[in-house]
Amino acid sequence: DTAVSQTPKYLVTQMGNDKSIKCEQNLGHDTMYWYKQDSKKFLKIMFSYNNKELIINETVPNRFSPKSPDKAHLNLHINSLELGDSAVYFCASSPGHSVEAFFGQGTRLTVV
Amino acid sequence: EDKVVQSPLSLVVHEGDTVTLNCSYEVTNFRSLLWYKQEKKAPTFLFMLTSSGIEKKSGRLSSILDKKELFSILNITATQTGDSAVYLCAVGIWNNDMRFGAGTRLTVKP
Repeated sequence: DTAVSQTPKYLVTQMGNDKSIKCEQNLGHDTMYWYKQDSKKFLKIMFSYNNKELIINETVPNRFSPKSPDKAHLNLHINSLELGDSAVYFCASSPGHSVEAFFGQGTRLTVV
Repeated sequence: EDKVVQSPLSLVVHEGDTVTLNCSYEVTNFRSLLWYKQEKKAPTFLFMLTSSGIEKKSGRLSSILDKKELFSILNITATQTGDSAVYLCAVGIWNNDMRFGAGTRLTVKP
């Protein structure tokens, strides 16, 4: 059973398009995250949701919007994609009392 | 600004060697320090350290935290080619947030 799953694994799209990445966790965790890993492999947190409430929102452009229909899902919508958005996006989750995060397999987004 | 600095950035060793990876940090509201191994895809959890001086061990891997000097080390003994990966250090701060270092790329040659 996959603990944290995200789809799609690969996404190639043109500049200006709008796209979504889905994430689901079956661990019963309270907190879910989106991370961006750039070409230099630097992982940076983008968003965190705890019990459907956004609790961290780093300096991410408002073209990015997280949507959490329930505790087990945190989807990432990106509007008006730009070349600089190309990266690997990781979804993760953690129990509410711990920062130990479990990561999904990543979505490699390429904007052309 | 919170900082997590890992060294070296890359390391090439031969099977059987012992390696030490370093992680230093400057953060506000420190809660824990975590080590992850990232091969091709998702980072996988190795250790979480919250107390100084207590070594955590898992097989050939071990790690220790020094909260006074603000650093941690990850040791791998008798390295194998399967240990080749990027090792990420992350510091957990308030509200379940984490700050990651840039990682150390370890290559173990046969």
